[in-house]
Amino acid sequence: EAQVTQNPRYLITVTGKKLTVTCSQNMNHEYMSWYRQDPGLGLRQIYYSMNVEVTDKGDVPEGYKVSRKEKRNFPLILESPSPNQTSLYFCASSPHTSGRARETQYFGPGTRLLVL
Amino acid sequence: AQTVTQSQPEMSVQEAETVTLSCTYDTSESDYYLFWYKQPPSRQMILVIRQEAYKQQNATENRFSVNFQKAAKSFSLKISDSQLGDAAMYFCAYRRAGGTSYGKLTFGQGTILTVHP
Repeated sequence: EAQVTQNPRYLITVTGKKLTVTCSQNMNHEYMSWYRQDPGLGLRQIYYSMNVEVTDKGDVPEGYKVSRKEKRNFPLILESPSPNQTSLYFCASSPHTSGRARETQYFGPGTRLLVL
Repeated sequence: AQTVTQSQPEMSVQEAETVTLSCTYDTSESDYYLFWYKQPPSRQMILVIRQEAYKQQNATENRFSVNFQKAAKSFSLKISDSQLGDAAMYFCAYRRAGGTSYGKLTFGQGTILTVHP
């Protein structure tokens, strides 16, 4: 089954304790993104990647890091989490092909993070 | 920078009736894509409908259709014959065509749709 997976789905942590949220897709997609969703703000892009070893900042990259060492994986790293990073996080991927398939972003199930 | 605005935080509709969700956007680009995504309580993001800016014809997908007004930068979603399963948060989203922007969607704030039996 084609899918984007994220782990963990729920996470409670404390300020300053480094954490990683994993994202993996099995569709051989070139493009992957991380978003955060906050009430009243919709989804905002954190980072995106156009292919292996190619990443760029989105709208709200501060406090986050990403890496793309393999095509299928795109982990989100919070080196020193703070309470303002409490949010719902989504990973998404899309293919580099023409037509409707390219324009469709496949979203993971979301990771709910609480930073105390 | 592109912005997407959904001015209706909440909407409600009776089952089997029609509802329209509003979305406006701001861009200086001429070629772009617009989307409506549905987010049910499970929090999964589901693509509902997609519109290419260069196409004048409004997109339709079964009970879902859009009213795309390029000059007015308006992109509303009409849901006909509403069903209980349509209840969800709906997001309008924009993506610039071409370049290195494939990965970037700009989302509106979302509209919570309630469907009454």
